[in-house]
Amino acid sequence: EAQVTQNPRYLITVTGKKLTVTCSQNMNHEYMSWYRQDPGLGLRQIYYSMNVEVTDKGDVPEGYKVSRKEKRNFPLILESPSPNQTSLYFCASSPDRGSNQPQHFGDGTRLSIL
Amino acid sequence: DAKTTQPPSMDCAEGRAANLPCNHSTISGNEYVYWYRQIHSQGPQYIIHGLKNNETNEMASLIITEDRKSSTLILPHATLRDTAVYYCISKDDMRFGAGTRLTVKP
Repeated sequence: EAQVTQNPRYLITVTGKKLTVTCSQNMNHEYMSWYRQDPGLGLRQIYYSMNVEVTDKGDVPEGYKVSRKEKRNFPLILESPSPNQTSLYFCASSPDRGSNQPQHFGDGTRLSIL
Repeated sequence: DAKTTQPPSMDCAEGRAANLPCNHSTISGNEYVYWYRQIHSQGPQYIIHGLKNNETNEMASLIITEDRKSSTLILPHATLRDTAVYYCISKDDMRFGAGTRLTVKP
């Protein structure tokens, strides 16, 4: 089954403790991205990747890092999490940025930073 | 800012057609318009997309005006399970605004 898998689904942690949210897709998609969703603000893009070793900032990249060492994986890294990064996070993928195929989204990761 | 604008909320009676509008007057001539929906806090679900012609699939129909400045997503027979937030976005922009919260009422 074609899917985007995020882990963990839920995480409660403390300020400053590094964490990584993993994202994996099994569709051989080139384009992957991370969004955060906060009440009343819709989804805002954090980072995206056009292909392996190619990443770019989205609208709200501060406090986040990403890497794209393999096509299927696109982890989101919070080096020193802060309470304002408490949010619902979604990973998405599509064949490539130039194609007209839609994005597939993961089920989300709810992060709480205390 | 997102290139699309939508009303914040709409209601629809169960069994009736739900028509959700989207304004995208600034998108370029080759930008597709996509519709997604999000039920509760689940991941957004793709519904349909189009460029110029009207489109229909098993979930919905998409009507795009001739000047491409706006479009309407039509759920022909809304059910209670169609209650969700609906997002209209443009391909090149990929910005999800606040969307339209559709409430289907019995």
